[in-house]
Amino acid sequence: AIRMTQSPSSFSASTGDRVTITCRASQGISSYLAWYQQKPGKAPKLLIYAASTLQSGVPSRFSGSGSGTDFTLTISCLQSEDFATYYCQQYYSYPPLTFGGGTKVEIK
Amino acid sequence: EVQLVESGGGLVQPGRSLRLSCAASGFTFDDYAMHWVRQAPGKGLEWVSGISWNSGSIGYADSVKGRFTISRDNAKNSLYLQMNSLRAEDTALYYCAKGPDYGGNSAEYFQHWGQGTLVTVSS
Repeated sequence: AIRMTQSPSSFSASTGDRVTITCRASQGISSYLAWYQQKPGKAPKLLIYAASTLQSGVPSRFSGSGSGTDFTLTISCLQSEDFATYYCQQYYSYPPLTFGGGTKVEIK
Repeated sequence: EVQLVESGGGLVQPGRSLRLSCAASGFTFDDYAMHWVRQAPGKGLEWVSGISWNSGSIGYADSVKGRFTISRDNAKNSLYLQMNSLRAEDTALYYCAKGPDYGGNSAEYFQHWGQGTLVTVSS
């Protein structure tokens, strides 16, 4: 199974900050990577697929990049509603589909 | 609008069984693969199982292989997860999830999620 490693596991930031979350795959996955946002008590929400394609309705301050084994999710100007936990997921190899461990973005 | 509504969760003793259901609406159910994803309390997401549109291709996480069985009834627009020999580590919120609207195979990301049904395994 492909292992997905996210870093950091959590961090604090302020509204307006530019933040970057990293996801590394244990082997190459081309661009078969998705990012999700999850708020407490809610189901995950798809943000980005194919490593860099923004899902319809997702604000443009979110962006994704990378291919192969190294990927990033960037929020260009953090808003209050962006404080949440973010997960990456590979869909290059199945089964299984695998998620990263999550990155919690907290208010500084 | 795509809707996925899970049911069947509850408190169950270790070693017992439980069957989860997911009622789907708002799309042509038999055109799409479907999946179960779980989340233990305070933990991350774990894919559990997936099934192709015609049940011809089924996959499981190693952690549930041999104990859980995924199935679907396209006539009823429903997805199921039969969970046998339950363990404490199966305690989680179980989500029903669907891939992208343009379709595809079972190796996919999840565009739509239900709200989940909670399974608690405890004596």
